[in-house]
Amino acid sequence: QQQVKQSPQSLIVQKGGISIINCAYENTAFDYFPWYQQFPGKGPALLIAIRPDVSEKKEGRFTISFNKSAKQFSLHIMDSQPGDSATYFCAASRIQGAQKLVFGQGTRLTINP
Amino acid sequence: EPEVTQTPSHQVTQMGQEVILRCVPISNHLYFYWYRQILGQKVEFLVSFYNNEISEKSEIFDDQFSVERPDGSNFTLKIRSTKLEDSAMYFCASQGTRNEKLFFGSGTQLSVL
Repeated sequence: QQQVKQSPQSLIVQKGGISIINCAYENTAFDYFPWYQQFPGKGPALLIAIRPDVSEKKEGRFTISFNKSAKQFSLHIMDSQPGDSATYFCAASRIQGAQKLVFGQGTRLTINP
Repeated sequence: EPEVTQTPSHQVTQMGQEVILRCVPISNHLYFYWYRQILGQKVEFLVSFYNNEISEKSEIFDDQFSVERPDGSNFTLKIRSTKLEDSAMYFCASQGTRNEKLFFGSGTQLSVL
């Protein structure tokens, strides 16, 4: 019930292409869905987050698409750049109470120049 | 941007020994967290701390673990008698208010031999 499943495990995209990472959750009580970006030797950093009252949120080249009925959400990186190469984690939690994030397994994204 | 600082970056200890991992959260933040990531696995919630007490903890956070905010700036995680399976990257995180994002530190890599 608490799991968040993320795919793919790794992804290679050409510079300028679109990177797409998918996540699925089980617990319908979750109402906060962030994406984190992690570079080697650093902690996860919040990239973008969405609440279930909207189906899409865009910030610059990063877009979250959210499908409440399917219990799925995805991260799209448009015009992917080599500097986007990192590990990406989706997560889910309840906005009320402690931010007890349940993370996906992570996707190692490589953008080839 | 303000940062969460964790020390040491690497800690090696013998099984059965006590370790203390240290964190300096962002000044004026009120909510504090520990997460961990075993190599190759997902980031997992350990404990949240607010108003000088634990607000929530996971099943992982058993009697061998404790947290403390001994002064106005530090937040520590103590593992009383380390086990091999405690080897992981431990991340501290802090949050200003309930609805704000989490800021993660760069982590302490704990190796139990």
